[in-house]
This record gives sequence, structure tokens and C-alpha cells, in this order.
Amino acid sequence: AQTVTQSQPEMSVQEAETVTLSCTYDTSESDYYLFWYKQPPSRQMILVIRQEAYKQQNATENRFSVNFQKAAKSFSLKISDSQLGDAAMYFCAYRSGDKIIFGKGTRLHILP
Amino acid sequence: AAGVIQSPRHLIKEKRETATLKCYPIPRHDTVYWYQQGPGQDPQFLISFYEKMQSDKGSIPDRFSAQQFSDYHSELNMSSLELGDSALYFCASSLGRGGRGNEQYFGPGTRLTVT
Repeated sequence: AQTVTQSQPEMSVQEAETVTLSCTYDTSESDYYLFWYKQPPSRQMILVIRQEAYKQQNATENRFSVNFQKAAKSFSLKISDSQLGDAAMYFCAYRSGDKIIFGKGTRLHILP
Repeated sequence: AAGVIQSPRHLIKEKRETATLKCYPIPRHDTVYWYQQGPGQDPQFLISFYEKMQSDKGSIPDRFSAQQFSDYHSELNMSSLELGDSALYFCASSLGRGGRGNEQYFGPGTRLTVT
């Protein structure tokens, strides 16, 4: 069965600085999707970025980028120029067929 | 752009009562997914439907049932409610099932409180 592990329950970063959230996963599949979701206090689940496993190029969305290491089964999220609005719970997730499997989340605090 | 609509947004029920949660997918989306997120927990997949047929099943209690209707909206029926059922229930929709490009779009969730 696929698993997603986020080893950092909480992290803090100074506003305008860069922070990296870690994620590892376990799977025997060769083709799959990985995601980072953001859940602010409103509890809305917002897709931040996604990576297709068959693509070697790391995905980038404005200030958000990933470091996808397929052999190591690692999928970290880098947030550049952190802003107060980035404060949220971040979930790393893996899609297996219909279902999305989420990690336990990392709560990110932005320090002004 | 139209998003996934869930109703009600908040629901308070007593133990042993029944609750029905509704999900209206994005127009043209034919696949619906249900997730349960307990307090301080990550979302857990419950069940999904594609073209009105159950397509995958996760950790959904036997007390829960769901279906997808001809207009693609879905309802999650929960009976004999327990305190542990208190959670945020997300619905997501996609055009087609899991596969390349078939992104799941999440609704705002229904917060169920069982007292």
C-alpha cells in the first residue's frame, strides 16, 4: 500500500525568506501523481502544485516549486519569498487510482 | 469559474441520528469523491463514483452509504451517528477517473458535529 510521510509537524519561517517542506512516499507503481495541498484556517483544500512521476522536470508555480527525486521517493516543496498568506497546513499527497492519500501535514507559521 | 458545491456547510446532529450530505460537482464533471477529515487529522478517502457507479471504496463505515445521481450530484448518507463521526467531509470532483489530467477539485466541505 502507498504511504506518504511528512516528518515535520510544524515549521516557521521569516516573512520574505525561503522554506522547504519535506515529504517522502512509498509505492511500487511507476506512474503516479504527487501533490501539495494547502489548507488555511478556512479549511478549504487548495491545490498548490502537482508533479507527474513520468516527468523528470520539477514543477513550478510562481513562488512554489518542488524537488522531485523519484529514485529516492522524495517530494519536497520550496516556498520562496514567504508571505503572511502562506501560513497554513500543508499536505503532501499521492494519487493512487481514484483516491488521494495524504500525509499527516506540516503546519507552516510565517513570522512577520 | 464554477466550483464544487457542498450542502449544508454546517450540520449538528445528535448521536444515533441520520445525516445526509450533498455534493454538486463542477459542471461536466462525471466523477465524485468523498473524504473525511477528523479534527487535527489528514483527509481520508471514503468512496468515489464514476458515471453513477461506485468506482473505488476506502475506509467507509458500513453505517454510511452514498450514491451518485443522473445529474452527477452525490449524496453521502450517514446513519446511527457516533461522536467519532464529527469531522469535515470533503467532496471533490473531476472530469473522468484517476489518470493524466483528471484533477480532483475540492469543495469547501461540510462540517458535521455529533453531540
